[in-house]
Amino acid sequence: GENVEQHPSTLSVQEGDSAVIKCTYSDSASNYFPWYKQELGKGPQLIIDIRSNVGEKKDQRIAVTLNKTAKHFSLHITETQPEDSAVYFCAASYPYGGATNKLIFGTGTLLAVQP
Amino acid sequence: KAGVTQTPRYLIKTRGQQVTLSCSPISGHRSVSWYQQTPGQGLQFLFEYFSETQRNKGNFPGRFSGRQFSNSRSEMNVSTLELGDSALYLCASSLTATDTGELFFGEGSRLTVL
Repeated sequence: GENVEQHPSTLSVQEGDSAVIKCTYSDSASNYFPWYKQELGKGPQLIIDIRSNVGEKKDQRIAVTLNKTAKHFSLHITETQPEDSAVYFCAASYPYGGATNKLIFGTGTLLAVQP
Repeated sequence: KAGVTQTPRYLIKTRGQQVTLSCSPISGHRSVSWYQQTPGQGLQFLFEYFSETQRNKGNFPGRFSGRQFSNSRSEMNVSTLELGDSALYLCASSLTATDTGELFFGEGSRLTVL
């Protein structure tokens, strides 16, 4: 069924370390994989996304990798800073009917960066 | 450019009542989607509207419904409220369909059912 599994649910790192969050999806037809960051009291904001025709995408300190065969995709944050502390959500598009898809989110990862 | 506006921000209802939440998307955005956020469950997709038509929906009971107006503003309604409906309800707008581009989220409407 429609499911996006996200791990870990909580992650604590020291400032300057790297953080990795992993997600798994179930439908091989999924072709769009965004990552959102939610700070306390705010709505989620897109930080990076990747489409199924690309294996890796990088934007400064953040990168996303996609393994279509294994149906895995991961978020990598390098040189973490205290302002990276937030809840991170992965998502995958799932076919709904006809030519439409819907976006299904994972359960979130609370990242805490310790100064 | 104004962001996505959700009203009310906070509300308290009792079991059995109904509630209507409102969402004003970013000007020019035609797609509005709704999500329910609860601890441990993440963001669960409710439905998406595009040009006044429900484009797709999630696995929620029929008590959850929505609509979109010609100006792209959207409302969602929950009837016969249950304790488990307590959650943060997030609305997101996008220029095109939600599976093809960035979603812009509002700050949510926090519903407490007593």
